[in-house]
Amino acid sequence: NAGVTQTPKFRILKIGQSMTLQCTQDMNHNYMYWYRQDPGMGLKLIYYSVGAGITDKGEVPNGYNVSRSTTEDFPLRLELAAPSQTSVYFCASQILGDSGNTIYFGEGSWLTVV
Amino acid sequence: GQNIDQPTEMTATEGAIVQINCTYQTSGFNGLFWYQQHAGEAPTFLSYNVLDGLEEKGRFSSFLSRSKGYSYLLLKELQMKDSASYLCAVKDSNYQLIWGAGTKLIIKP
Repeated sequence: NAGVTQTPKFRILKIGQSMTLQCTQDMNHNYMYWYRQDPGMGLKLIYYSVGAGITDKGEVPNGYNVSRSTTEDFPLRLELAAPSQTSVYFCASQILGDSGNTIYFGEGSWLTVV
Repeated sequence: GQNIDQPTEMTATEGAIVQINCTYQTSGFNGLFWYQQHAGEAPTFLSYNVLDGLEEKGRFSSFLSRSKGYSYLLLKELQMKDSASYLCAVKDSNYQLIWGAGTKLIIKP
């Protein structure tokens, strides 16, 4: 079972570069999320989507953009990378309608901006 | 503001019992989750509480008191593989998950 797949797993970016973190899920979940996790900290929500064509800002959206053209895919775009964006990024998905349903996480993407 | 508090780090002995506490102040409440996260890995689901009381699942149990804004995760018969961070998360009135910083549990032989 693939679940939530995100790529790349590791990436080093130079300040000012741009890149896209890819995320895809094969569980037909309508909710998808992007989180970042800094060392010793909890998960911070960057953006989320409740379905194809619908996205919304989370707690820390500045410097990021997302799109949700299909149910499966939810890429995260970093424009003009900054050292403050050095973090671990997790994509996650959940099915609508059951607030108790498990959130499934991808394996994480380790991003370093130098 | 919204806040989730958990101890930063705890140490316990293999075979023993440990209780990890979580207190929360959120705008509304629609359930509380516990996740386990091993170093360098993604969080994995442990438990979900939406009503007061104790939920038992094998060696792990989770308790909730909504009136006190309090939960705990109880781990019995500790094994070395239980060394991990344990994350508490609350779903608020907008169904957004608010995450605690996590409790790093160190198991000693």
